[in-house]
Amino acid sequence: EPEVTQTPSHQVTQMGQEVILRCVPISNHLYFYWYRQILGQKVEFLVSFYNNEISEKSEIFDDQFSVERPDGSNFTLKIRSTKLEDSAMYFCASIRERGNQPQHFGDGTRLSIL
Amino acid sequence: AQKVTQAQTEISVVEKEDVTLDCVYETRDTTYYLFWYKQPPSGELVFLIRRNSFDEQNEISGRYSWNFQKSTSSFNFTITASQVVDSAVYFCALPAGPNAGGTSYGKLTFGQGTILTVHP
Repeated sequence: EPEVTQTPSHQVTQMGQEVILRCVPISNHLYFYWYRQILGQKVEFLVSFYNNEISEKSEIFDDQFSVERPDGSNFTLKIRSTKLEDSAMYFCASIRERGNQPQHFGDGTRLSIL
Repeated sequence: AQKVTQAQTEISVVEKEDVTLDCVYETRDTTYYLFWYKQPPSGELVFLIRRNSFDEQNEISGRYSWNFQKSTSSFNFTITASQVVDSAVYFCALPAGPNAGGTSYGKLTFGQGTILTVHP
């Protein structure tokens, strides 16, 4: 069964550095999402992406965050200048049709900001 | 706005006990879907089940069963004869429907999660 893949599985970065989290969604999927989970808390929506543009972003997704799909397969989340509070698990998800299909999640990238 | 509440923060049981995880939701959609995900200690999110609001029939899959009651906006999950491998965080999730607005459609709202620990 096709899977969403995320790299790296764990990223350790100094505060203030830029970080790029990578995701390869399932190939025929059309809608892409990033979610964040701070340790011990619930999974929170960050951003959705469709047709090469952001569909919606949450309050968390401020100017430090950006997403792009540079080559039709990868889907990246960039944090320009990381803060301690960006430490979390970041999940990428994709779906072919919205609403009735469960989102397929990658295994997540654990981001640790020092 | 959509809301999912999992009031049980942590549950601890001994192996072979039955355990029920509660989920209460709020939505303005008249038709909708609900999901349960499992997050084992390794951290990934594993899809368990999808139910739609048309179908309130309880579903059983092996040791897992789900009780969906639209009248009380609840979608509870029962594990029968629990095992140590069931230890995980369980999340109930509600996708935004088309009435949420085009850009929100499909976005998942998660509950806080219930930490289930099954002791041998």
